[in-house]
Amino acid sequence: KQEVTQIPAALSVPEGENLVLNCSFTDSAIYNLQWFRQDPGKGLTSLLLIQSSQREQTSGRLNASLDKSSGRSTLYIAASQPGDSATYLCAVSWNNDMRFGAGTRLTVKP
Amino acid sequence: DVKVTQSSRYLVKRTGEKVFLECVQDMDHENMFWYRQDPGLGLRLIYFSYDVKMKEKGDIPEGYSVSREKKERFSLILESASTNQTSMYLCASSLDRGLNTEAFFGQGTRLTVV
Repeated sequence: KQEVTQIPAALSVPEGENLVLNCSFTDSAIYNLQWFRQDPGKGLTSLLLIQSSQREQTSGRLNASLDKSSGRSTLYIAASQPGDSATYLCAVSWNNDMRFGAGTRLTVKP
Repeated sequence: DVKVTQSSRYLVKRTGEKVFLECVQDMDHENMFWYRQDPGLGLRLIYFSYDVKMKEKGDIPEGYSVSREKKERFSLILESASTNQTSMYLCASSLDRGLNTEAFFGQGTRLTVV
């Protein structure tokens, strides 16, 4: 069964710190991998999409990398801010469907 | 911008009622998905559809059905609502299967079954 795992489950850092969130998946034959942000009680907002042929994507202070052979992706957040506090979800697409990790709940303290 | 709209933000229904959750997207996307999200369990795929009138079961289809009569609309149906279906329901869409395309989500429907 194709599964997605995210560690850590929760992370608390002081403002300004650089941080890394991890995502691993069981089957390397993916179509793409997407990172989302979710604020409490809200839907998901897409942050970055990495296609299966790509190694990384960048958007502002965010950088996501993909290593298909090892079944891993990382989301790097530079110079974290309190507004970055949210749950970050990794989603992997195989064939037609898309499956999620349980998420990492990030708190950035002022 | 892609817009995925779920018909209700909050719903309260009684046990045994038939419940319809509606999702509409405005970007001619082929794929549409229904998930439920529960604390400690994350997002779990209920059903997805890659074309009109096409549907495939996800990980937890029991107690649910879906309908996709038009490309832009994907409905989730709870035939006889039960309290264990109290959850946050999230709809998503993406352009086409087989392509490396981005998925977009609606704002979610928080359903409470009493």
